[in-house]
This record gives sequence, structure tokens and C-alpha cells, in this order.
Amino acid sequence: EPEVTQTPSHQVTQMGQEVILRCVPISNHLYFYWYRQILGQKVEFLVSFYNNEISEKSEIFDDQFSVERPDGSNFTLKIRSTKLEDSAMYFCASRLRAPYNSPLHFGNGTRLTVT
Amino acid sequence: ILNVEQSPQSLHVQEGDSTNFTCSFPSSNFYALHWYRWETAKSPEALFVMTLNGDEKKKGRISATLNTKEGYSYLYIKGSQPEDSATYLCALATTGNQFYFGTGTSLTVIP
Repeated sequence: EPEVTQTPSHQVTQMGQEVILRCVPISNHLYFYWYRQILGQKVEFLVSFYNNEISEKSEIFDDQFSVERPDGSNFTLKIRSTKLEDSAMYFCASRLRAPYNSPLHFGNGTRLTVT
Repeated sequence: ILNVEQSPQSLHVQEGDSTNFTCSFPSSNFYALHWYRWETAKSPEALFVMTLNGDEKKKGRISATLNTKEGYSYLYIKGSQPEDSATYLCALATTGNQFYFGTGTSLTVIP
């Protein structure tokens, strides 16, 4: 069964450094998402992406964050200048269609540790 | 931000016991309610997508019900097995393209 893949599985970075988290969504899916989960807290929405542009973003997704789909297969999340509070598990998800009854397919996540 | 609550936060049951847990959500913003199962070291996996008041869905020993008027959904597991141990997440789908997740219920089934 096709799946969403994320790399790396674990990224350690120093505060102030840039990181890029990579995702390869399921190939025929049209809607892409980034979520994060800080340890012990809820899964939080960051951003959704459709038709090569951001369709929605949360308050968390400030100017330090950006997303790209550079080549039609990868979907990346960049954090320009990481802060300690960016340490979290970051999940990429995709889905085939927009309607609310189409489920999300998640990757295994990237654990980001900012020191 | 919409508040989706799940209870209990964690649950330990003996193998063979049946169990259930709750997801509560604001009924005024309802479009669909998703249940996901999240095993350790794996990604969340879709269990059910429920859209209609009174909906009941079943997959093997796991079933879910939905009450959109009062804003809750129950997930039931009949005859729990150790492989059912996981975190069960619910997510409210609203207009647009957003999902609001609960904190999850962590289930441990003791052999």
C-alpha cells in the first residue's frame, strides 16, 4: 500500500540554525499538511497546501516557517532559525481529496530536537 | 482554535476486557469526525470517518458511534487484545481544510 515517507527520522540542530524536513506524500494525493506534536501535548496543525500554494496556516506557522513542493513529489517544511520551543515531532500528511470525509495519511514523523 | 477533548487520557485493561473512550467536540462546527490509531514508532492510521448523526461504524472488534447534536463520539473495543495497545486520536474536520485533534487516549492491554 502506498505510504507517506518522511526524512530524516530524527534531526538534532542548534538554536538559530535552519532545518528542512522532507516528506514524500502519496503520489496521487492532492492535499498536503504539516502537523507537529510537542511532547505530552496535542497534535497541532501547522499548514495545509494545495495546488502549489498554502491554503491555510495556523498561528504557529509564522515567518520562520515555509513550505515548498519543489519538484512535484517532495513536500518540505523549512524552519529558518530554530528555537528551543520548536523541538517536537513533525508529521507530514496527505489526502486524496478535499472533502472532510477523506482521511489523512500520515508519515512516520521527524523528531526535531533543538539544543 | 476549537477544543476537542478525549477521555480518559490513559487506560489499562486486561486482555479480553471490553473498553470504550470518548471524544467531545463543539457541535456547532461539525463536518466530520475522524478516529486514528497511533501505535508507538508508527504513524497515525485512519480507523473511521464519521459524518452523520447516529452513524455507527465497525472494523473487526472496534466500533464507533457519533452524536453530532451533543458533540461526542465513542470508540468501543470488544475483547481487547495486546495488539490493540496504542493511542487513539480523534480529529474534528471543519470547513476549509483543517482538522482539530484531541490529546488522545493511550490504551494498554495487559496480557
